[in-house]
Amino acid sequence: ETGVTQTPRHLVMGMTNKKSLKCEQHLGHNAMYWYKQSAKKPLELMFVYSLEERVENNSVPSRFSPECPNSSHLFLHLHTLQPEDSALYLCASSRASGEYQVDEQFFGPGTRLTVL
Amino acid sequence: GQNIDQPTEMTATEGAIVQINCTYQTSGFNGLFWYQQHAGEAPTFLSYNVLDGLEEKGRFSSFLSRSKGYSYLLLKELQMKDSASYLCAVMDSNYQLIWGAGTKLIIKP
Repeated sequence: ETGVTQTPRHLVMGMTNKKSLKCEQHLGHNAMYWYKQSAKKPLELMFVYSLEERVENNSVPSRFSPECPNSSHLFLHLHTLQPEDSALYLCASSRASGEYQVDEQFFGPGTRLTVL
Repeated sequence: GQNIDQPTEMTATEGAIVQINCTYQTSGFNGLFWYQQHAGEAPTFLSYNVLDGLEEKGRFSSFLSRSKGYSYLLLKELQMKDSASYLCAVMDSNYQLIWGAGTKLIIKP
């Protein structure tokens, strides 16, 4: 099993569509992340779930809605997106970092999203 | 504000050595990461530094100076497969990663 999987790999949607991105990790981690990656820009952290609770929102527009039903699965629900939301959306997982441990994040291959 | 700076693009020759620099200003510091990202693929972990000094891992080494807010990634005996983007990221006081925009490394024969 590949560590972190994402589906779909590519998505084209209109501004009025509703779609969902799915992420699954098989590494036994307890923290999961959504990132947005745009060309020549730093990775933007969108959402963090640690122990299945959201711990960071980072002022993401409400047209993006995350869901984490358990420690292995993460969804990003998309609704009435704008063309500027076109980007690569990356999911990552790790053991939750804190005072006593810091661990690297493992990334999925990403979903290339195009909003028309 | 929080800021990570690294060069946008570098070019090097196969078999040579290249150093990719990263400077940072963050609220707190819990370590610095380097990741490699090939075009169209996921970022993959290369190294983690939390104490000053050099960490060596095969052809790749990473250096950290906390007092200077500075790190570099050193790649030796460059191979064509090393053509990729190299991402520098700092873990801040909230244990969240702050990312640089990445350095695209082009290797020429």
